[in-house]
Amino acid sequence: DTAVSQTPKYLVTQMGNDKSIKCEQNLGHDTMYWYKQDSKKFLKIMFSYNNKELIINETVPNRFSPKSPDKAHLNLHINSLELGDSAVYFCASSHTSGAYNEQFFGPGTRLTVL
Amino acid sequence: KQEVTQIPAALSVPEGENLVLNCSFTDSAIYNLQWFRQDPGKGLTSLLLIQSSQREQTSGRLNASLDKSSGRSTLYIAASQPGDSATYLCAVVDNTDKLIFGTGTRLQVFP
Repeated sequence: DTAVSQTPKYLVTQMGNDKSIKCEQNLGHDTMYWYKQDSKKFLKIMFSYNNKELIINETVPNRFSPKSPDKAHLNLHINSLELGDSAVYFCASSHTSGAYNEQFFGPGTRLTVL
Repeated sequence: KQEVTQIPAALSVPEGENLVLNCSFTDSAIYNLQWFRQDPGKGLTSLLLIQSSQREQTSGRLNASLDKSSGRSTLYIAASQPGDSATYLCAVVDNTDKLIFGTGTRLQVFP
């Protein structure tokens, strides 16, 4: 009965490779997000989607491409991986926006680029 | 540009103490403020959400207050326990619906 799930939990890969991280939520939420937590543990939003439409894109390199096949899924594809992409990536979802925007997070995917 | 700061950065206390964690934000135009807990190597657990029109929220031993005009929130933890050890993050939803996180307070409660 996991609310927000991500796969894989750990991802170790070489520079230059392309990889994907998957996220699914079973909360019936309309909005999903990707966040990056860097080595200093600082969390920053990357993207948000509402009903499969891109809402927020925070000046992320275009090597990162989110894809939302339906409102329960938001996948993150990363091309030509670089050392600086090593981080923990969190997916989140929320039911609505504004004052009632309470976000629920997945367990995270730790990406290590060698 | 909204900036969220948390003080202290780290805190170590004996079991049973009452604690106050502080969060400040630079732009009072927020929709809400959310407190999270993050255990090492784990995801974030939502603790409390305070809407911008509210002053406080309570859940068990946790009480969070919000003073939007002065850009401050506090998380009060009563009768702390070793199981409360974690990093506590405060985050605000700004007027573009983005969740902006603070720098976190790393809490250790020792028996």
